[in-house]
Amino acid sequence: DAKTTQPTSMDCAEGRAANLPCNHSTISGNEYVYWYRQIHSQGPQYIIHGLKNNETNEMASLIITEDRKSSTLILPHATLRDTAVYYCIVRVQLIYNQGGKLIFGQGTELSVKP
Amino acid sequence: NAGVTQTPKFQVLKTGQSMTLQCAQDMNHEYMSWYRQDPGMGLRLIHYSVGAGITDQGEVPNGYNVSRSTTEDFPLRLLSAAPSQTSVYFCASSYRGTASYGYTFGSGTRLTVV
Repeated sequence: DAKTTQPTSMDCAEGRAANLPCNHSTISGNEYVYWYRQIHSQGPQYIIHGLKNNETNEMASLIITEDRKSSTLILPHATLRDTAVYYCIVRVQLIYNQGGKLIFGQGTELSVKP
Repeated sequence: NAGVTQTPKFQVLKTGQSMTLQCAQDMNHEYMSWYRQDPGMGLRLIHYSVGAGITDQGEVPNGYNVSRSTTEDFPLRLLSAAPSQTSVYFCASSYRGTASYGYTFGSGTRLTVV
């Protein structure tokens, strides 16, 4: 199973872009990179996912390197409400390729400061 | 409202008692899973199911049982509660398939075993 490595914590100034890195050097060709966040003790919230192309939605952008060994989640204009733990996850495929287990790591605790 | 519903939100058990944590989703998701989250830690997968009648173990299955008799429901049973099972439990669901989909999480059940 592919593992991910993220910094334990990061700070970001309000209004600036927050760039959260993730290493997944053992990722397989058909595994997706997912990002979730967890605000305080709420249930995790899906942010974005990608396979090999860069992706953007209303919440964030995901940049995946060409070799797919790392990625960066970008929150373009961070607000205080973006303070949360951010999880980078490689989606493990089941043997019959139906869905896939989500295995969480420790994540990055992002603090957005005024 | 569509989503994942977990009940109860809070529960206190005595050591040795048994109970069932309920999880229901109304999105016709095939894939459902249970996680536990201990203080200051990430989520760990307990059990998961890829469809009615099909379940499998995750990272930390000991002391828990699951069954999936319908697509909508995925209850988690604690057979004989222990203090080590004090945790926050999250249920999640997703569509099945080779295409990538985000997972929807419930708001959690906070369990204390005394």
